[in-house]
Amino acid sequence: NAGVTQTPKFRILKIGQSMTLQCAQDMNHNYMYWYRQDPGMGLKLIYYSVGAGITDKGEVPNGYNVSRSTTEDFPLRLELAAPSQTSVYFCASMGGGVITEAFFGQGTRLTVV
Amino acid sequence: RKEVEQDPGPFNVPEGATVAFNCTYSNSASQSFFWYRQDCRKEPKLLMSVYSSGNEDGRFTAQLNRASQYISLLIRDSKLSDSATYLCVVNKNNNDMRFGAGTRLTVKP
Repeated sequence: NAGVTQTPKFRILKIGQSMTLQCAQDMNHNYMYWYRQDPGMGLKLIYYSVGAGITDKGEVPNGYNVSRSTTEDFPLRLELAAPSQTSVYFCASMGGGVITEAFFGQGTRLTVV
Repeated sequence: RKEVEQDPGPFNVPEGATVAFNCTYSNSASQSFFWYRQDCRKEPKLLMSVYSSGNEDGRFTAQLNRASQYISLLIRDSKLSDSATYLCVVNKNNNDMRFGAGTRLTVKP
């Protein structure tokens, strides 16, 4: 059981480039999340989804886009990379319900130069 | 005001010590609460859920005070392996899940 899989693990982008961070889960979870974590800081919610076809903004959505065409996949798109987007990105999924555990991918370390 | 605020830390304690972390949240409609543990350069993992009546898991005790919008985590008899960052997590009623900035704990021999 793979759980939550994120690709790539590492990436260096130049300013203005675009890329998609991939996230897939095989647990049939309804809820999926994207967070960013800056050095020494907590996780900040970028976007989340409560099911296929539904996405919502978190606290730091600017500069990012998401889609949720299937239950399994929740890609995060950076259109015009900026140095401020240098961070570690974590994808998570959760089955739903009030008391339930979120499972995280191993993270993508992104550097924008 | 941040949605979830934690003790800034870091906490440096000797083995065997008891240490407590505090967390406050701003949204009174929040429904569920958790403590996650994050090791250096790793993904967060669930440590324990926090129930209204308080709950214990071995050396770890979590408490919730809804009236004060306050959550705590107590670690007794600290082990070297407890060294990590502890993240307070609050889940709003729409499953919008927010994390605190984390409190770093270092347990020393």
